[in-house]
Amino acid sequence: NAGVTQTPKFQVLKTGQSMTLQCAQDMNHEYMSWYRQDPGMGLRLIHYSVGAGITDQGEVPNGYNVSRSTTEDFPLRLLSAAPSQTSVYFCASRMQPGSGYTFGSGTRLTVV
Amino acid sequence: KQEVTQIPAALSVPEGENLVLNCSFTDSAIYNLQWFRQDPGKGLTSLLLIQSSQREQTSGRLNASLDKSSGRSTLYIAASQPGDSATYLCAVMVKGSGNTGKLIFGQGTTLQVKP
Repeated sequence: NAGVTQTPKFQVLKTGQSMTLQCAQDMNHEYMSWYRQDPGMGLRLIHYSVGAGITDQGEVPNGYNVSRSTTEDFPLRLLSAAPSQTSVYFCASRMQPGSGYTFGSGTRLTVV
Repeated sequence: KQEVTQIPAALSVPEGENLVLNCSFTDSAIYNLQWFRQDPGKGLTSLLLIQSSQREQTSGRLNASLDKSSGRSTLYIAASQPGDSATYLCAVMVKGSGNTGKLIFGQGTTLQVKP
């Protein structure tokens, strides 16, 4: 099925560990974004990309890296996990400016 | 700074009722407004997208309106069903953020439809 695919769905990390959250879309969307969702804080933008090879920071980028080597994939890397990064992470994509976003099903991350 | 507010935070209605969810935003400089549904532990499902030049959009039992000048949107659900129980989020895509296409989300309205 067409859409945004995120893996893994669940992950538990120890403080200081690193990992990569995967995001792939098969809709040929240029724009991709990562959001985190926290109780009481809503959804906040971490990083975004307007096309292959182009990325930039969002509202809460510290502790995260991204790259965009292909149109389809937009992985999010946690460099050294901290308990404050315990959250639900959503990847989203859209075709062009003004079009609506499609969201993935999320990755629930716990850092202990 | 754009802020999005959704009222009420929670709503419980009997099955069959028509209901309205409210969303307000502080800055009318938006590209569009999108309504999402989120089931517990799940991702966001897009329900309706209204461009800034539009007044309303309809999909089945759902109707969303947009009044950009007053900074308000409503999501109308007709003949509610228990399967409509979920959290409903509205989000605006802000202008003036360059290429970000950043969405600003409200905190959501959690709807429970009782059989």
